[in-house]
Order: sequence, then structure tokens, then C-alpha cells
Amino acid sequence: SSELTQDPAVSVALGQTVKIACQGDSLRSYYPSWYQQKPGQAPILVINGKTNRPSGIPDRFSGSSSGNTGSLTITAVQADDEADYYCSTRDTSGNHWVFGGGTRLTVL
Amino acid sequence: QVQLVESGGGVVQPGRSLRLSCAGSGYIFSSYAMHWVRQAPGKGLEWVAVISYDGGNKYYADSVKGRFTISRDNSKDTLYLQMNSLRPEDTAVYYCAKDRGWLLLENWGQGTLVTVPS
Repeated sequence: SSELTQDPAVSVALGQTVKIACQGDSLRSYYPSWYQQKPGQAPILVINGKTNRPSGIPDRFSGSSSGNTGSLTITAVQADDEADYYCSTRDTSGNHWVFGGGTRLTVL
Repeated sequence: QVQLVESGGGVVQPGRSLRLSCAGSGYIFSSYAMHWVRQAPGKGLEWVAVISYDGGNKYYADSVKGRFTISRDNSKDTLYLQMNSLRPEDTAVYYCAKDRGWLLLENWGQGTLVTVPS
């Protein structure tokens, strides 16, 4: 299968912790990467591989993966974290990429 | 720092062609694979194509295979996407992205909008 499934929307109270999930067969072979996209802006990479953060990404962001499920966890959520989050990885062929449908995070 | 700047978008009639460009700077362009990713208005991200660092390997999404061609000119630090037989469903913002590890899309451009009216 070449699909990644995400919940369309998640909400979280300011200062709390949120976990955004991503499911797909590809994740049994490859770690997901996670991208944040704010309205009118290009996506940016927030988690690469299993749990690595690019420079400049706060340590409030972390990733995990087990079996066919990957997760992005944001602790002490801030208003500025409100965005769409996409998971992605290579598909089972190894030479095509796939994105999840995206999760819109709302901070209450 | 890494900069990717797309250009070439615009309004094009169905069935016509358009070529997008992506100029890279701030890194050794010829050492990295590159991707095109698109986003239709109000929709999610869709991977379009990837090209290896030397242009020797190219792969496409099924939705564009046979119509789009990805290429690069490492002497000009520029990535291209030739889009032929355009359809209304190709309407999207097209982003180029620098690959890392043949796995993740490490840096993204700001995108260029392609509109194919129905």
C-alpha cells in the first residue's frame, strides 16, 4: 500500500501535549518525516527520521514510530504551533514518496 | 543558508505546456536529489517527482507519469519540471524541495502557482 492516513483535525489546549498519528504500511520499512505548514507558507521539516529535529526546531517537538504507526508529539503547545502537519515517507517501492492527508492542529 | 526559488508558474490552457524552474543556492546543488511536490487549492501535499543528484534516476507519481518530465542542470544549479498536456486537476502550487538521504524533504522553496482553467 502507498497510503498514509492521518486524522483530519486535532485540537489541544494551550500548554498541553498533543500527539498526531500517521498510519501506513510504508512505516514498517521507513521512518516518517513530519512537516509543518502554516497558512500561505511553504512546509517546513520539523522531524526527520525517527526523532531527529532540524536545527531551529524546538525540543517540544518529537517523533516516534512503531509498526505501521508514526507519531508527532508536541509538548507545552503554544499558539504558534497552530498549523497543518503532514507525515511523509517513501512508499514500499522505495522510489516514490507519499504524504498523509494532513492534520489541522487547533490550539484552544 | 539553503535557498530554493521557484519560477515559471502562470495560467495555461488545458492541453498546453509549461516549464517550471527552481534555482538552488547556499549548498552544493549537484550533491543532492531534488523533488517536486504540489498542493491544489485547499488540499494536502502531493508528491510529484524526484531526480537523483546526477540526473541519472527519475521517478514520477502515477498522476503525472508520461506528461511531466523532471530534469536538472547542475552547471546552473537549477531544477526543472516540464509539464505537458496540462489538465485542470494540475492546478496547484508547485514546490521544489531538497532531498536528504533519499528519504526526507529537508528544505522547500516558496512555491509557484500553476492554474489550468476548466
